[in-house]
Amino acid sequence: QSVLTQPPSVSAAPGQRVTISCSGSSSTIGKNYVSWYHQVPGAAPKLLIYDNNQRPSGIPDRFSGSKSGTSATLGITGLQPGDEADYYCGTWDSSLSVWVFGGGTKLTIL
Amino acid sequence: QVQLVQSGAEVREPGASVKVSCKGSGYTFTSDDVNWVRQATGQGLEWMGWMNTHSGNTGYAQNFQGRVTMTRDTSISTAYMELSSLTSDDTAVYFCARGLQDLGRGYYMDVWGKGTTVTVSS
Repeated sequence: QSVLTQPPSVSAAPGQRVTISCSGSSSTIGKNYVSWYHQVPGAAPKLLIYDNNQRPSGIPDRFSGSKSGTSATLGITGLQPGDEADYYCGTWDSSLSVWVFGGGTKLTIL
Repeated sequence: QVQLVQSGAEVREPGASVKVSCKGSGYTFTSDDVNWVRQATGQGLEWMGWMNTHSGNTGYAQNFQGRVTMTRDTSISTAYMELSSLTSDDTAVYFCARGLQDLGRGYYMDVWGKGTTVTVSS
């Protein structure tokens, strides 16, 4: 059972938009910045979004992040087959002084 | 370019220990933290702990307290994660990841190693 809650799966057709939610608490998302990671099977995770809504160099603006209260959302527009992967949110838990990940969301492109 | 290169796959018997290495290059190794994250087959990411590579200070997830030790050798820009009293539940891919703290903002892991497969089997 993860401290951060994500839907196990989402799906959408190529070209469409999808959002992935990440629900936490006052000691996690409520107090700290959120980052998002993307992982294709057999590969290492890759940073997608940091500081709630910042994209590292090389990440296209099709990917966006937002945060409100104790929840965060990853948005992906113009879906491409290559976006099919697992997506994880992560943040610091201030009450336990540990890092926590969400359980992950599998994105399927229909 | 910034990269983290991890040691190769390991096989251990139950009850043994394993030590995985993670060599940083392309940046000043002691400027940033190293985190360790593991992933069992078909499962999600599990954070194990972090190490300040400058001071050597560490912080471990409760699940691994007493069983994990994170160290570093700054002379060769390498971090280590040792896990003891292994069971089959520790069979997983172990990743190291650089941890960055933006001043006044958030903490995140921007560069990841390719992972080291650890198999625990008798």
